[in-house]
Amino acid sequence: QLHLQESGPGLVQPSETLSLTCTISGGFLRSSSSYWAWIRQPPGKGLQWIGSIYYTGTTFYNPSLKSRVAISVDISTKQFSLKLISVTATDTAVYYCARQESYSSDSGVIPDYFDHWGQGTLVPVSS
Amino acid sequence: QSALTQPPSVSGSPGQSVTISCTGASSDLGHYNRVSWYQQSPGTAPKLMIYEVSNRPSGVPDRFSGSKSGNTASLIISGLQAEDEGDYYCSSYTSSGTVFGTGTKVTVL
Repeated sequence: QLHLQESGPGLVQPSETLSLTCTISGGFLRSSSSYWAWIRQPPGKGLQWIGSIYYTGTTFYNPSLKSRVAISVDISTKQFSLKLISVTATDTAVYYCARQESYSSDSGVIPDYFDHWGQGTLVPVSS
Repeated sequence: QSALTQPPSVSGSPGQSVTISCTGASSDLGHYNRVSWYQQSPGTAPKLMIYEVSNRPSGVPDRFSGSKSGNTASLIISGLQAEDEGDYYCSSYTSSGTVFGTGTKVTVL
């Protein structure tokens, strides 16, 4: 049974960098049918996709966050990570990592639906 | 990348059917058959309920079904039960990445 677990600091200062890691167990990051994604949810608000990464390192980012986001993957440690720079209070949210199943098309391997989620971690941005 | 549009809330009595709509544009939801639906209870992570418009993952009750017509997808809950209360989000692949809906709160009266 695939399990995902987010980890990272509980509080980030404004203008600093938010860094989170997702560790998987019961599965493999090197999967030809899966992307690995970060999604966030501000308190009381809806879900926002941040970005996704394939085991080869191919990434897709939300255009509204692209200039501040980097997602990386380390197959040997079964972890993938999120870095969000220059944070403000509006980046306060519960951050989820998730497996994103994909499908093959003429354009390559395309991200599709999220079938396994971590429990989420609240990251306040505050001084 | 604009969020897909959902009604803020829907409600129904136990045993009734409710439908949640999810409206996008011809460039996203209308172009791709890659719509998924998620259920979220307070304080918990979302749970996949429907993928690729109308497919149910193993373990999801068959009272949950999905469909799509043009730029609008729908989640239908037939035979509403108290445990179905929560927030529901649609999602679709787009040329700019993945986009979620605005979310709908389902209340069982």
